[in-house]
Amino acid sequence: GQQVMQIPQYQHVQEGEDFTTYCNSSTTLSNIQWYKQRPGGHPVFLIQLVKSGEVKKQKRLTFQFGEAKKNSSLHITATQTTDVGTYFCAGRRSYNTDKLIFGTGTRLQVFP
Amino acid sequence: EPEVTQTPSHQVTQMGQEVILRCVPISNHLYFYWYRQILGQKVEFLVSFYNNEISEKSEIFDDQFSVERPDGSNFTLKIRSTKLEDSAMYFCASRVIAGGISSSYEQYFGPGTRLTVT
Repeated sequence: GQQVMQIPQYQHVQEGEDFTTYCNSSTTLSNIQWYKQRPGGHPVFLIQLVKSGEVKKQKRLTFQFGEAKKNSSLHITATQTTDVGTYFCAGRRSYNTDKLIFGTGTRLQVFP
Repeated sequence: EPEVTQTPSHQVTQMGQEVILRCVPISNHLYFYWYRQILGQKVEFLVSFYNNEISEKSEIFDDQFSVERPDGSNFTLKIRSTKLEDSAMYFCASRVIAGGISSSYEQYFGPGTRLTVT
């Protein structure tokens, strides 16, 4: 079946350092979403990418969708302690399906 | 800001018992979902529901599971005979109807119900 893997599994950074998580799908995706889950919390939608090669920015967060629509990345510049949590990518295989396949997640820990 | 609510926050049950997890989606949303997350693992899709019927389900969603929208506000997940491996966090989610390739399919997640099967 379709798999969506993320690397790294864990990342510990000093506050102020940058962070990147990579998302790779075994199949082409129609679009990809990113969610953040704080410890003990629920997934919260961050962004959706649709077009091949698309890049979107939200303040210190930069999201990219690969040209082949099989991979994506999230980059955080100058991390803050409020960035702590697990970041999940989630993709849809086609526009005809509503099923979101979540990635394995990257847990970010930020030390002050 | 409107939000998805779920009850109970924690449910403890014995193996073989039936449980019903309840969700109240955001009022103008039309698509509803159940996901589960085993502790420390990824979020897994269980089922999607639209127009009073299941639109998609995963291989996890077997005959032991059922969903229902008994009235205009509640959306429930029933597990008929719980197993130890059903222990997980169960999230309900909803979204507005959307159309077009570039429309947002943002899903709003509830706080979850932690199910513990003993």
